[in-house]
Amino acid sequence: GQNIDQPTEMTATEGAIVQINCTYQTSGFNGLFWYQQHAGEAPTFLSYNVLDGLEEKGRFSSFLSRSKGYSYLLLKELQMKDSASYLCAVMDSNYQLIWGAGTKLIIKP
Amino acid sequence: DAEITQSPRHKITETGRQVTLACHQTWNHNNMFWYRQDLGHGLRLIHYSYGVHDTNKGEVSDGYSVSRSNTEDLPLTLESAASSQTSVYFCASSESLDSNTGELFFGEGSRLTVL
Repeated sequence: GQNIDQPTEMTATEGAIVQINCTYQTSGFNGLFWYQQHAGEAPTFLSYNVLDGLEEKGRFSSFLSRSKGYSYLLLKELQMKDSASYLCAVMDSNYQLIWGAGTKLIIKP
Repeated sequence: DAEITQSPRHKITETGRQVTLACHQTWNHNNMFWYRQDLGHGLRLIHYSYGVHDTNKGEVSDGYSVSRSNTEDLPLTLESAASSQTSVYFCASSESLDSNTGELFFGEGSRLTVL
């Protein structure tokens, strides 16, 4: 079966760095997406990786290793507004998105 | 600005009633999707459409139907609502299926409670 695993919850301190991991087993691979979802709101797009390596976008970076079925989202200089759930999703060979259950990130002052 | 809107945002209904959730997008996207989101689960795909008159079943399509008569709208109908269908429903659209233009744009969500 197809599976996306990510930690349920993580806690970090304002100003620090946090890494949210995502491992996947899917039928084929056509890219990996990260979305941010604040409580009670809709998910919003953060990043897309299809090739191995690191993609950087300001304070957020996303890394992909296709051979290991692994990605991480790196958040630097954490701010209170970064408290949210972070969703990992993989597009399989049929161009269907398989979603992880999300990682709830709690930022403490 | 282009957007995607859902209505109603909140709905309480009774078991056995028919319910329709509306989704309207002005992005002019061909691809539209309906998901449900429940605690402890990832987003689960209910139905999707790649264009006018095209509809496809997702992984949790039982008890739901959609129709696509134009580019802008993809209404989701629960034919006979069940308590197991209590959930938050998200509509989304995308320009393509992969690459950065495969980004999904989500509506605000519709919270449905079936009593």
